[in-house]
Amino acid sequence: DQQVKQNSPSLSVQEGRISILNCDYTNSMFDYFLWYKKYPAEGPTFLISISSIKDKNEDGRFTVFLNKSAKHLSLHIVPSQPGDSAVYFCAASEYNYGQNFVFGPGTRLSVLP
Amino acid sequence: DAGVTQSPTHLIKTRGQQVTLRCSPKSGHDTVSWYQQALGQGPQFIFQYYEEEERQRGNFPDRFSGHQFPNYSSELNVNALLLGDSALYLCASSSQGRGSLETQYFGPGTRLLVL
Repeated sequence: DQQVKQNSPSLSVQEGRISILNCDYTNSMFDYFLWYKKYPAEGPTFLISISSIKDKNEDGRFTVFLNKSAKHLSLHIVPSQPGDSAVYFCAASEYNYGQNFVFGPGTRLSVLP
Repeated sequence: DAGVTQSPTHLIKTRGQQVTLRCSPKSGHDTVSWYQQALGQGPQFIFQYYEEEERQRGNFPDRFSGHQFPNYSSELNVNALLLGDSALYLCASSSQGRGSLETQYFGPGTRLLVL
């Protein structure tokens, strides 16, 4: 049973446009969410996080939106740059359950020049 | 400031063998988590070590075991290797700050191939 889903395996976006990556979760106990970016031959790199007390968190070109009622979060990248081309993982955790994160399968983003 | 380091980078083993993977956490971190990432999937939590003890474990068999040393470095051991154990093994370190939820910093991983 996949608790964290990223239903789009891949996404292609033109440079300068907005990239929207989606993530759905099933476990209502999750209250802390992160996005990681992964380049080939490297470990995942933390990008941005959001806790369930917020519905939006912004960091530069990256914004994460959380819709708790829909159990859905999304990552917006504006404007998209070729260097953003990577695999993006959504991860979720129960705060009081240590740091055991459940990851989604990832979405491969390609930003075309 | 060195980040999370893992060794070796690549490893080839045959079925039934045993393997040990190593991880040194980021400076200042005291908690190490191990993940298995199969091809085309997200990382899957194996277990977490803090204060030299396993404090959380994912849905992995007892063939997967670990250890944390006083300097916070850690080892992942896998016995009786199966073909399905072929994956990228990621180590992540973090800090068990009271009242805070620190993010995890990942190493580059060890790619294990079981033939």
